[in-house]
Amino acid sequence: QSDLTQPASVSGSPGQSITISCTGTSSDVGSYKFVSWYQQYPGKAPKLMIYEGSKRPSGVSDRFSGSKSGNTASLTISGLQAEDEADYYCCSYADSSTSVFGGGTKLTVL
Amino acid sequence: QVQLVQSGAEVKKPGASVKVSCEASGYTFTSYDINWVRQAPGQGLEWMGWMNPNSGNTGYAQKFQGRVTMTRNTSISTAYMELSSLESEDTAVYYCARGRKGTMIVVVIPYYYYYMDVWGRGTTVTVSS
Repeated sequence: QSDLTQPASVSGSPGQSITISCTGTSSDVGSYKFVSWYQQYPGKAPKLMIYEGSKRPSGVSDRFSGSKSGNTASLTISGLQAEDEADYYCCSYADSSTSVFGGGTKLTVL
Repeated sequence: QVQLVQSGAEVKKPGASVKVSCEASGYTFTSYDINWVRQAPGQGLEWMGWMNPNSGNTGYAQKFQGRVTMTRNTSISTAYMELSSLESEDTAVYYCARGRKGTMIVVVIPYYYYYMDVWGRGTTVTVSS
């Protein structure tokens, strides 16, 4: 299976909103499957931020939201804060009970 | 609390095998899948496969078919990932992660979901001659 496509980097100033896209195919993102999103700081394990497309685990700020349209899922971070600077990965269930990650997006808070 | 504790760092020679363990605690080990995800230096996350600790059923990414084996010992709530025929390109941090899955009905249409909600801290595997 192929990686999902994410922009390599995005940036924004504190207080602004940014959106990270995640484009797949009709076999994964575009199908009847929800995407999950993960945040990763350098040298740390990934952390679940969004599951079932738009739900947040307990403790995750409501500034993080998820959505999907066609073959593209999106993660939006509103009210950008310095602590949001990290790498973000999308992940989708795919055919044959496999999963596939996006290539990752480095978020820089200016 | 719910956690996954992984085994320590490994250094292997090309052609060798490595076996990484992942001990679960704080929940019923057999109730959730265990996934393995790796990350090469400076690279992104790469999904390797999953295992159902209850049945022992597994599913592997095509890239690793024939080279990876995922097993478990339910008596000690531990999952294992063994990777054989190691090459320098297998140098990476290997993570285990608990998998949650199900189906949700959205306007009469079933949507499938799968996500990894608890992660181990990672095991560094270095392959070098």
